[in-house]
Amino acid sequence: GQNIDQPTEMTATEGAIVQINCTYQTSGFNGLFWYQQHAGEAPTFLSYNVLDGLEEKGRFSSFLSRSKGYSYLLLKELQMKDSASYLCAVEGDSGAGSYQLTFGKGTKLSVIP
Amino acid sequence: DADVTQTPRNRITKTGKRIMLECSQTKGHDRMYWYRQDPGLGLRLIYYSFDVKDINKGEISDGYSVSRQAQAKFSLSLESAIPNQTALYFCATSDLNGRGDREQFFGPGTRLTVL
Repeated sequence: GQNIDQPTEMTATEGAIVQINCTYQTSGFNGLFWYQQHAGEAPTFLSYNVLDGLEEKGRFSSFLSRSKGYSYLLLKELQMKDSASYLCAVEGDSGAGSYQLTFGKGTKLSVIP
Repeated sequence: DADVTQTPRNRITKTGKRIMLECSQTKGHDRMYWYRQDPGLGLRLIYYSFDVKDINKGEISDGYSVSRQAQAKFSLSLESAIPNQTALYFCATSDLNGRGDREQFFGPGTRLTVL
């Protein structure tokens, strides 16, 4: 099975940088995803890491260390609209011969002026 | 038009009633999923389907059933609804994109309340 941990809440200031950590334990790792979810809305895809290292996409970057079972999402130049929940999700072996995605409980980020 | 649609968007029902939530997609994806989301518990997988003839149980399938009527349609049924099935339900689809990522695309959600 999969076990995923991420902080419940974080607060950061507009214009600053924030790092949201995610640790995981899984069998048959096949990739790690980050999703953004605004209150009352559906999650939307941010990033996918399957190899170690940093993936950069504009203001958002995601890092993975498979040996440590660790990832982080880095948000730069924070904007008020970045206030949302950030979901870490791991694709691992379901035990039935296929892979399935398991989500963490999410980190609620509040950006303040 | 939305690529993944869910009906109804909101539903209030009573304990013991049979409920069906429907999901349709125009993305042409083979893989479809049903999740429920509860405060403090995050998204949890109920059932998933990799093609029309493939149905798999997820983490919390008890009390639910699904039907993959076509590639584009995946419905979730609660045979006899109970109050602890009150939650926000999401349908999602996935396929390999150009980068080889198995990105999931979520529908807008169905808010179900069981009284």
